[in-house]
Amino acid sequence: NAGVTQTPKFRVLKTGQSMTLLCAQDMNHEYMYWYRQDPGMGLRLIHYSVGEGTTAKGEVPDGYNVSRLKKQNFLLGLESAAPSQTSVYFCASFGSGDEKLFFGSGTQLSVL
Amino acid sequence: QQQVKQSPQSLIVQKGGISIINCAYENTAFDYFPWYQQFPGKGPALLIAIRPDVSEKKEGRFTISFNKSAKQFSLHIMDSQPGDSATYFCAASIVGAGSYQLTFGKGTKLSVIP
Repeated sequence: NAGVTQTPKFRVLKTGQSMTLLCAQDMNHEYMYWYRQDPGMGLRLIHYSVGEGTTAKGEVPDGYNVSRLKKQNFLLGLESAAPSQTSVYFCASFGSGDEKLFFGSGTQLSVL
Repeated sequence: QQQVKQSPQSLIVQKGGISIINCAYENTAFDYFPWYQQFPGKGPALLIAIRPDVSEKKEGRFTISFNKSAKQFSLHIMDSQPGDSATYFCAASIVGAGSYQLTFGKGTKLSVIP
C-alpha cells in the first residue's frame, strides 16, 4: 500500500517553461489537495478536488491549473513557470471516515 | 487574513524538557483542530487532534489543551526527545463543510538538544 505518491521528487525549470506534477493515491479517497510550502509561510492550499471530475480553487490558485480525470490521480500544472513558484509542493488525500490528511513526500521545484 | 496564528516560529528545548507551541484561531465555526508533525524531506503526518467539546486530549507524551472561549489551543510535548525535532503545524477545519479544508498555521521548528 503506497499511500500518496508524487512525481517527480525534484525539478528545475527555467522561467516560462511548463510542467505537470503528478499525484497518485491508492486509498480510494474522494478528496485530494495540492499545497505549497514556503519558509515561514506554512502550508497554503493551491487547488483541491472533492471527487473525480471536480476541482476548486484554494488560497493561492493563480498561475496553476489542476485536473482530476481519474479518482486516483490529481495533476497540478504550471503553464508558464515564474521564480515565485519556487517551492515545495505537497499533494494530500482524505477519505470519508478518516479524520486526517495523507500527504505525499513532496516535490522540490526550482524556477530559475 | 491569517485565520490560524502559530507561535513561536522556532523553539529550542533541552532533552527531557517540555515543549509548548501555541495557536490561536479567528473563525468560530472551526470545530476540528489537528496537529501535524513534519520531519525534513517528508510530508506532514497527523500527530494528534481535538474537537472543541473537550478541553484536553493526551496521547503518550503529547497533549493538546483547548480553550474555546479564548479561541486558543496548544501542543505540549512532555519529556522532549531529540527524535521529536521536527516542524509542527497546527490546523483547523470545519467538519462536514463538504471539502475538509484545513487551514494551517505557519509552523514551529522544534529542536531538542541532548
